[in-house]
Formats: sequence, C-alpha cells, structure tokens
Amino acid sequence: AQSVTQLDSQVPVFEEAPVELRCNYSSSVSVYLFWYVQYPNQGLQLLLKYLSGSTLVKGINGFEAEFNKSQTSFHLRKPSVHISDTAEYFCAVSDKAAGNKLTFGGGTRVLVKP
Amino acid sequence: DTEVTQTPKHLVMGMTNKKSLKCEQHMGHRAMYWYKQKAKKPPELMFVYSYEKLSINESVPSRFSPECPNSSLLNLHLHALQPEDSALYLCASSLSRSWNTEAFFGQGTRLTVV
Repeated sequence: AQSVTQLDSQVPVFEEAPVELRCNYSSSVSVYLFWYVQYPNQGLQLLLKYLSGSTLVKGINGFEAEFNKSQTSFHLRKPSVHISDTAEYFCAVSDKAAGNKLTFGGGTRVLVKP
Repeated sequence: DTEVTQTPKHLVMGMTNKKSLKCEQHMGHRAMYWYKQKAKKPPELMFVYSYEKLSINESVPSRFSPECPNSSLLNLHLHALQPEDSALYLCASSLSRSWNTEAFFGQGTRLTVV
C-alpha cells in the first residue's frame, strides 16, 4: 500500500528566504507524484507533478521539486518566498496498484513572515 | 476551460434538512471524485465515478448519496447529516481513472451542520 509522509507539519520562514518542504513516500511500483497548494478557504491547486523523465521538476509560482528514487523522496523547494506563499502544501502519490486513488501526506503549513 | 466549479461555496443545514452539492467541469474528463476535508487535515476520498458509473465508495455513510447525471456533472445529496459531517467538500476531475492522470480540484463547498 502506498503512503506519504510529510516530515514537517509547520514551517515558519521569513520573506525572501528559501524554503524546503520534505516529502517521503512508500510504494512498491512506479509512482506519479504531486505537490498541491491550498490557500486559506480554497480548494487544491496543482503546483507540479512527476511521472517520469528529468528528476528535477519545475512548477508554478517558482516552485521546484526533486524526485529521488533511492531515497523515495520528493522534496519541494522555492529559493525565495513571498508573503503570498503562506498556505498549506500537500504531497500526494498515485500508483498503478491503487488505480487513481491519490494518497495525500498530512500537509505542511508554511507561514511566511515579513 | 480548466476549471472545476462547485456550488454553493457555503452551506449551513440542519440535521433534518436535505440539500445537494453540485460540481461541474467542461474539460471532457471522464473521472470525477468527491473528497471530504476536515480542518488541518488532508482530503479524504469519498467516491469515484468513472464514465458516469460509481467505481469507488470508500465506505461512506448512506446519508451521503452521490449522483452523476452526465459526464460534466456530479452531485452529492445530503440527508440527515450530523454535526461531525461539517467539513470542506471538494470535487475533483481527471481525464480518466488511470493512475497517471492528474486531478483538478474545485474550490470546495464549506458545509456546516447545525
């Protein structure tokens, strides 16, 4: 069975500083990995996704993530955050064995401080 | 059009009421989903429709009744809900139920049961 662990439940960060959100997954087969962002009182918006190919994936709003198969990780990074990046971030995995059932991590709340 | 539209945005209902949540997409997607999200938690899958047929019911109580009248619409009928059913209800769609297609989420309906 697939599972996703987001190691940090909250990450406070100052404006213009870099941020990294950690995500580890467990799955025995090929996986499709996602990062979604949820702003307060909003739905989920896709930031980026990985299926195959280059392990460095670039997404919207300056975010990028790196797929590391040996470490089963898919960490999200942004070199310089803005106040507007304050939100909840969810890592999710989908694999063949589970059809298209997305399994979400517990979420990481990013609080950007001025 | 890359949107999933949910109505209403907010809903307050009594425990004896009957109400419906609506979801619409015009992206030609043939898989549609209902998720429930409690505060500070990741979304939890409730139902999956594939080609207008119910393919997954995640052991959801019968007071929640999904309906897919056509390939663009998804409803969630609510009856005799409990206060603990108060949550954000998210609709999503994807091209198909295949494991490697991304899901697009709506903005959600914030449901309060009084």
